[in-house]
Amino acid sequence: GENVEQHPSTLSVQEGDSAVIKCTYSDSASNYFPWYKQELGKGPQLIIDIRSNVGEKKDQRIAVTLNKTAKHFSLHITETQPEDSAVYFCALASGGSYIPTFGRGTSLIVHP
Amino acid sequence: DTAVSQTPKYLVTQMGNDKSIKCEQNLGHDTMYWYKQDSKKFLKIMFSYNNKELIINETVPNRFSPKSPDKAHLNLHINSLELGDSAVYFCASNPGSGGAQDTQYFGPGTRLTVL
Repeated sequence: GENVEQHPSTLSVQEGDSAVIKCTYSDSASNYFPWYKQELGKGPQLIIDIRSNVGEKKDQRIAVTLNKTAKHFSLHITETQPEDSAVYFCALASGGSYIPTFGRGTSLIVHP
Repeated sequence: DTAVSQTPKYLVTQMGNDKSIKCEQNLGHDTMYWYKQDSKKFLKIMFSYNNKELIINETVPNRFSPKSPDKAHLNLHINSLELGDSAVYFCASNPGSGGAQDTQYFGPGTRLTVL
């Protein structure tokens, strides 16, 4: 199956700083790359996704970049706020598969 | 209203017991999943159902038996519970038209503790 490595496992930043989480993968057939945010005691929720025909996507303070050649994609959060503190998961999927592959998660802590 | 709901939210039980977790989605999605999240937050897919049919069984012990009475429900029954079954179990759904290439909508989770 597909593999995805997510780094770092823990990220601590000051409020207002930027945070970047990176995922690398091996299967070149992967073509869908979502990011999920899991707050304490809740299920993961999609925050942004990107498909392989696009290199970058932005939604307010959140952006995702994809480098298909190098097989990595990253989540960028600017002007972090304490409410951004959560566990973030990258994931990926390829055409025809019913199984998404999840990274191991990054615990982001934003200090006020 | 919650799109994907699970009951119960918490489940504490003794080793060897049999228990069930229920899941319902009101999104009209075709595909539903069960995931297990361990203490290190790793999300492991267990099962995938598409239109009530089992698609994926990811090497889960046969003590775990999913049941899909209709495409809006996917329940998980666990026999002879073991200590290692303690985890948070998430139900999820997606529209299914794109396989896994669609947003996964997760339920709130069921925290299972086996004593």
